[in-house]
Amino acid sequence: QVQLQQWGAGLLKPSETLSLTCAVYGGSFSAYYWSWLRQPPGMGLEWIGEINHSGGTNYNPSLKSRVTISVDTSKNQFSLKLTSVTAADTAVYYCARVAADLIDYWGQGTLVTVSS
Amino acid sequence: QSVLTQPPSASGTPGQRVTISCSGASSNIGSNFVFWYQQLPGTAPKFLIYRNDQRPSGVPDRFSGSKSGTSASLAISGLRSEDEADYYCAAWDDSLSGRVFGGGTKLTVL
Repeated sequence: QVQLQQWGAGLLKPSETLSLTCAVYGGSFSAYYWSWLRQPPGMGLEWIGEINHSGGTNYNPSLKSRVTISVDTSKNQFSLKLTSVTAADTAVYYCARVAADLIDYWGQGTLVTVSS
Repeated sequence: QSVLTQPPSASGTPGQRVTISCSGASSNIGSNFVFWYQQLPGTAPKFLIYRNDQRPSGVPDRFSGSKSGTSASLAISGLRSEDEADYYCAAWDDSLSGRVFGGGTKLTVL
């Protein structure tokens, strides 16, 4: 059974850097892409970007200048950093597994609030 | 503004058939697979339909997907109260080199 467990700071001030990590339990780590998505309160889903086991990345063009997704294959973990956050970055952030374009497993979600 | 366009809401009574549309462009739906996700309140989304019309094991056959040109649809027949949720379509976009979602459709079972 595949499980994704994520963690990170839930309250940030404007201009700070958001940092989240997702650990993968079960299944192959190298066979998939690993993704981050977010959902502002009461709104829809937004894809942030994704990475494979060798570090190959794809980013949402609208966030690319502020986003870094990295991978630690020794721990089966991947991480998200989003710099210079504003209130508009307040959202539930999800990590997820991507299997041939299908997002088939999701983390539990982390609410990140940006407020002064 | 989402790249894929869905109606914000849909509704039906128990037993009815409801369809949710998803409109895109040649760079996304027109040239790539469409996926549908269901999100129950307070939970992470789960996949419902993959590769336009494929249903994973465990998803009732009341749910079906279709695609034509640059549009796709999710149909739910025999509507049940537990189907009340938000539904999202998604696809890869070749122009953006990224995944795009619809804005979501809130389904209410009256």
